[in-house]
Formats: sequence, structure tokens, C-alpha cells
Amino acid sequence: RKEVEQDPGPFNVPEGATVAFNCTYSNSASQSFFWYRQDCRKEPKLLMSVYSSGNEDGRFTAQLNRASQYISLLIRDSKLSDSATYLCVVNTGGFKTIFGAGTRLFVKA
Amino acid sequence: EAQVTQNPRYLITVTGKKLTVTCSQNMNHEYMSWYRQDPGLGLRQIYYSMNVEVTDKGDVPEGYKVSRKEKRNFPLILESPSPNQTSLYFCASSPFFGGTYNEQFFGPGTRLTVL
Repeated sequence: RKEVEQDPGPFNVPEGATVAFNCTYSNSASQSFFWYRQDCRKEPKLLMSVYSSGNEDGRFTAQLNRASQYISLLIRDSKLSDSATYLCVVNTGGFKTIFGAGTRLFVKA
Repeated sequence: EAQVTQNPRYLITVTGKKLTVTCSQNMNHEYMSWYRQDPGLGLRQIYYSMNVEVTDKGDVPEGYKVSRKEKRNFPLILESPSPNQTSLYFCASSPFFGGTYNEQFFGPGTRLTVL
């Protein structure tokens, strides 16, 4: 079993749709959680950190469920510019970083 | 401008010819890391460094070496490259506070082909 697993997609959605991604992690001692965005093999960029209390940034909402060991990302009112690969990232403690393989999103006009 | 730079951006080389990919950050970050990205596998951590002279293996360290003699630089060394090291490589840095590291800032990537 991979340490961090994501549905690879692709997710094909129309503009304005709401789309949700899930990510599961296997190490219960994991400490920090993030969602990154990557465009066309460019460098990943932080989308948002994920806190136990959940957090929201505009159209994006991230949730953490420690009991079930998963994190989620919800994108509301999808834009064409949201088309990208979304990477789930987990710090397993001891400074190691584990990336999920990514979920591809295509938003269509 | 705060940034992470990598050089070269593109490199084609032959099996066995030693090479170094440089990485430099100007943000005074303690933490630096190298990743490789391959289709279907995502980013995998090669080595990381918590500070000067402190490095540790990630998940795929075989065939690579690193050093951290200065806080800003973290070169990746391939002593004897092989075709299975053909990949897209990213360097990243992160500030460390609150007992953990935080957002990682990535360089633009180095596309390496080993023939």
C-alpha cells in the first residue's frame, strides 16, 4: 500500500461545477498536510495547508480527518484556470515528505 | 526576489559521466530537499537537509549524493548516472519553525536524460 494515495482521475468537469478530491495516508504519526497545485510539469506550488479544524480560502476548502486518515480538497465554482494536477502532501514526521501521485483536473467551458 | 534556482534546466548526458545539479535559495531557509518526478509515480524524495552539514536519505537515495556546506546551496550529485535516473528533478526549500517545516518553495526543475 502506498503511503499517500490519491485518485489519479482525470476529473472532467464543466465550469461552475463543484469537485472534491480525497487523499488517504497510512502513517498515523503524520504531522503536516498540504495541497499543492502543479501545472504541466512545472514546479508544484502550495495551494493550501490543511489544519485539523479545516480551512477555507475563497473557492477552496480543505479538511483533515485524522481518525480515518484522509484529507480532502473541495473546489467550488470551478474555473478554466483550475485545470491542473493537485498533489496531496504529507509530512510523516522526521522531516520526510511524501507526495501523492496527483489528481488531474480538467475544467471545460 | 525570493526564489529557488536550479542549474542546468535541461541536461542530456551519457551513462557513467558524473554530473552535478546545483540548487540555491535566497530565503535563508533551513530545510532543503531534492525530488524526482516520474510519470504515474509523483514526486519522490531523494535526500533532504535540515540545516548546514545535516542531511538524510529520502525514499529513493540510491545513486545520488548531496552536500550542504552552506545554508543557501544544496547540490545533487550523480557519480555514475544510469538511464533509470532519467527524470524531472526538483529542488525545494522551506523555513522550519513551530517544530515542523512549512510551505516548500520549489525550483523550476531540471529535466535530465541519461543515454
